[in-house]
Amino acid sequence: EAGVTQFPSHSVIEKGQTVTLRCDPISGHDNLYWYRRVMGKEIKFLLHFVKESKQDESGMPNNRFLAERTGGTYSTLKVQPAELEDSGVYFCASSQRTPPDTQYFGPGTRLTVL
Amino acid sequence: AQSVTQPDIHITVSEGASLELRCNYSYGATPYLFWYVQSPGQGLQLLLKYFSGDTLVQGIKGFEAEFKRSQSSFNLRKPSVHWSDAAEYFCAVGAWGNKLVFGAGTILRVKS
Repeated sequence: EAGVTQFPSHSVIEKGQTVTLRCDPISGHDNLYWYRRVMGKEIKFLLHFVKESKQDESGMPNNRFLAERTGGTYSTLKVQPAELEDSGVYFCASSQRTPPDTQYFGPGTRLTVL
Repeated sequence: AQSVTQPDIHITVSEGASLELRCNYSYGATPYLFWYVQSPGQGLQLLLKYFSGDTLVQGIKGFEAEFKRSQSSFNLRKPSVHWSDAAEYFCAVGAWGNKLVFGAGTILRVKS
């Protein structure tokens, strides 16, 4: 069974540019989560999808971040325009059942904003 | 609000020595708890979890953790550390809606 995959693994962009991160969850997992770890800080929750619906987006830092999950399969996280403080590692996770359930994490996307 | 404290940012142990990584949580309801590990260049891998039942849980790679409600702790242990255990370890508590709240992580170094 394939795990959670994320693309790209690394992205380096200039301040003000746009970046789109993609996450493919484990097949059959309705729950998809985005987390972020800024350098030296804890891993922080961003948002939670159940199928294509946003269940909880309380962790999204501001309106420069837009997450979508069309068709309830893969998800994208767009940052527009990117700022220096957006640099960090963005993790995606998925789980099969309603809570509580184990979340399986992808390898992360390291975003560097110059 | 939920929170997780991992008081040790770095720990160094000798190969073959025992290991204990500390984790304390704050959560108003019955918690469900996780330990994840991140090896260099890798994603987060689940080591073990506690949802209910036996408070001593076994995980992969010879790790175990004990849930102590009275101390709000979920410490991770391994009787004999291998060089390949060098990594960063994260304790997490499952909060409302299943979002995870993580501790700051503990970096484990293993010396030969």
